[in-house]
Amino acid sequence: DTAVSQTPKYLVTQMGNDKSIKCEQNLGHDTMYWYKQDSKKFLKIMFSYNNKELIINETVPNRFSPKSPDKAHLNLHINSLELGDSAVYFCASSQRENGNTIYFGEGSWLTVV
Amino acid sequence: GIQVEQSPPDLILQEGANSTLRCNFSDSVNNLQWFHQNPWGQLINLFYIPSGTKQNGRLSATTVATERYSLLYISSSQTTDSGVYFCAVDFGNEKLTFGTGTRLTIIP
Repeated sequence: DTAVSQTPKYLVTQMGNDKSIKCEQNLGHDTMYWYKQDSKKFLKIMFSYNNKELIINETVPNRFSPKSPDKAHLNLHINSLELGDSAVYFCASSQRENGNTIYFGEGSWLTVV
Repeated sequence: GIQVEQSPPDLILQEGANSTLRCNFSDSVNNLQWFHQNPWGQLINLFYIPSGTKQNGRLSATTVATERYSLLYISSSQTTDSGVYFCAVDFGNEKLTFGTGTRLTIIP
């Protein structure tokens, strides 16, 4: 069983479209994250949720809206996609009292054309 | 500003060689982790090591928090060790700041 799973794995879409990436974890963790990896492999946190509440919101355009229906799910919705949004988006989870050891999903490759 | 620097940026080794990857950070930390990103893009957690030394098979890691660095050792390298190695640090703000990575290529 995949511990942190995200869908879709690959997404090619046109500029201006709206798209969502879904993430689920079955580890029982209380904290979930979205990270973005750019073409130079640089990884940067976008959002963090603890028990469904937003705790970290980096300087991300408000076209990006995370939603956590419960602590096992954290979805990412992106409005009005731009070319610069092309990247790999990683979902991750951790448990606060476990030293925050973090486990990543397999990534979602987003290409905006 | 807060920084996490890794060296070397690239490393090419023959199978069977040993390697040491370094991570320097600019401030005190309460969480440091090492990750391996394989050629398929998958990010695997190797160590949670804010201080001290840990070993897992051919891999070991040491963090000297007072001197603000961590080392990842890989012994008897195999081709499956190829990929990018990241260290990531929490400076007390509950988010991991990733270094720029070391790209390791193991040649058969």
